[in-house]
Amino acid sequence: QQQVKQSPQSLIVQKGGISIINCAYENTAFDYFPWYQQFPGKGPALLIAIRPDVSEKKEGRFTISFNKSAKQFSLHIMDSQPGDSATYFCAASNQAGTALIFGKGTTLSVSS
Amino acid sequence: ETGVTQTPRHLVMGMTNKKSLKCEQHLGHNAMYWYKQSAKKPLELMFVYSLEERVENNSVPSRFSPECPNSSHLFLHLHTLQPEDSALYLCASSQGLRRGTEAFFGQGTRLTVV
Repeated sequence: QQQVKQSPQSLIVQKGGISIINCAYENTAFDYFPWYQQFPGKGPALLIAIRPDVSEKKEGRFTISFNKSAKQFSLHIMDSQPGDSATYFCAASNQAGTALIFGKGTTLSVSS
Repeated sequence: ETGVTQTPRHLVMGMTNKKSLKCEQHLGHNAMYWYKQSAKKPLELMFVYSLEERVENNSVPSRFSPECPNSSHLFLHLHTLQPEDSALYLCASSQGLRRGTEAFFGQGTRLTVV
C-alpha cells in the first residue's frame, strides 16, 4: 500500500534525446507527487511536483505526466543534456502523511 | 552557512563503537527527518520530528537513537551497529508536515560499519 515503484533502474540517453522515467503507486490516498534529483555526493533536491487535479505540469525541459486512473506518473526530460546526468527519485505523500515515500531511483546518464 | 548541513561527511566505525551523526538546518524549519539511503533501495524514512517532538518512528532498530534538542539540530546516535547498516544517512527539514511541503536534504553522512 505504501510502495512507489519506479522504472527503469538505469537509463542512458543521447544528448538532445528524451528521457522518460515512470512511477506507479498503489495507495489511492496519495495526492502529492514530487520528483527529486540527486547528484553524486549531494542530497536529493526537489525538481518538480504535481497534484492529481492536473494531468500534466511543465517546468522548462521537465514535464510530469499524471494518470490518476492508472495510478501512474512519469517524468519527461526534453532535450536531455549531460548536466542532467543524476539519479532521479519519484515520491508520493498524502494529506495525512508526515513524510514522503520514495521510489528506488533511476540513474540517468546523458552521453555527449 | 545556509541549508541543511550534516557532519561528518564520512564515518567508519566498528560494530562495538558508539558514534553520533549531526544535522543542522539554517532554514527556520520546524520539522526534521532522518532517511537511510542504501544502494538499489528506496530512501527509507527512519524518524520524523516536528517542533522537537518525535512524530514517527518507522520500526527502526533500537541501535539507532535520534535526538532533537531544538528545531535547528537533529542527531542520530549509533551503537553496536551491523555491517548491513552501512549506507548514506540523509537528514532533511521542512516547514511543517503539511502535504506538499518541500523537504530540503543535506549532503548525507556515508557510514561504513566494519
